Amino acid sequence: DTGVSQDPRHKITKRGQNVTFRCDPISEHNRLYWYRQTLGQGPEFLTYFQNEAQLEKSRLLSDRFSAERPKGSFSTLEIQRTEQGDSAMYLCASSSGTGLVEQYFGPGTRLTVT
Amino acid sequence: AQSVTQLGSHVSVSEGALVLLRCNYSSSVPPYLFWYVQYPNQGLQLLLKYTTGATLVKGINGFEAEFKKSETSFHLTKPSAHMSDAAEYFCAVSPSGSARQLTFGSGTQLTVLP
Repeated sequence: DTGVSQDPRHKITKRGQNVTFRCDPISEHNRLYWYRQTLGQGPEFLTYFQNEAQLEKSRLLSDRFSAERPKGSFSTLEIQRTEQGDSAMYLCASSSGTGLVEQYFGPGTRLTVT
Repeated sequence: AQSVTQLGSHVSVSEGALVLLRCNYSSSVPPYLFWYVQYPNQGLQLLLKYTTGATLVKGINGFEAEFKKSETSFHLTKPSAHMSDAAEYFCAVSPSGSARQLTFGSGTQLTVLP
């Protein structure tokens, strides 16, 4: 069990550019979640996958955001035409589908939009 | 709909003193409740969780929390603070019955004074 990993850990981009983040969940976890955390706040839910199916999306996930989990393993989160308001920590978490309810979080990707 | 309120965005205690971090929740269904800890520039680590059964739950690092349905509270305590406990603590709630999205409070920054 190597834990949830995220790449990159830090990303600085200019406004208007596209960025993509990757999350590798704990192996055999079939549920994967994305959260966004801004400074001084708790994480806010963005979206959730069970295997490759995207089952829930928050209203925070505007049209510029898209997430995929093509083979039910790793996931990517893409932000198109980044805005300064997108600057935040993007956290990925995974959980088992066998009744265990706790979510295990990765270290996050810190995005800074200049 | 669910929500979490953490009273006190900053709490300071002396080393060896009692730690009490407050969390109140609102949920339209029986909740699952969690406390997570976050160290600077890191992801969230699960301290403890309540799902069903015993209302006093023990977690890692000497922390415990008690689920009080009548008070809709899930306060986190530790009898004796250690310098290494300095971190940000988040209370979270999810609907019971499945591994669903977490709704987090805004966090409490714990400072431990020597």
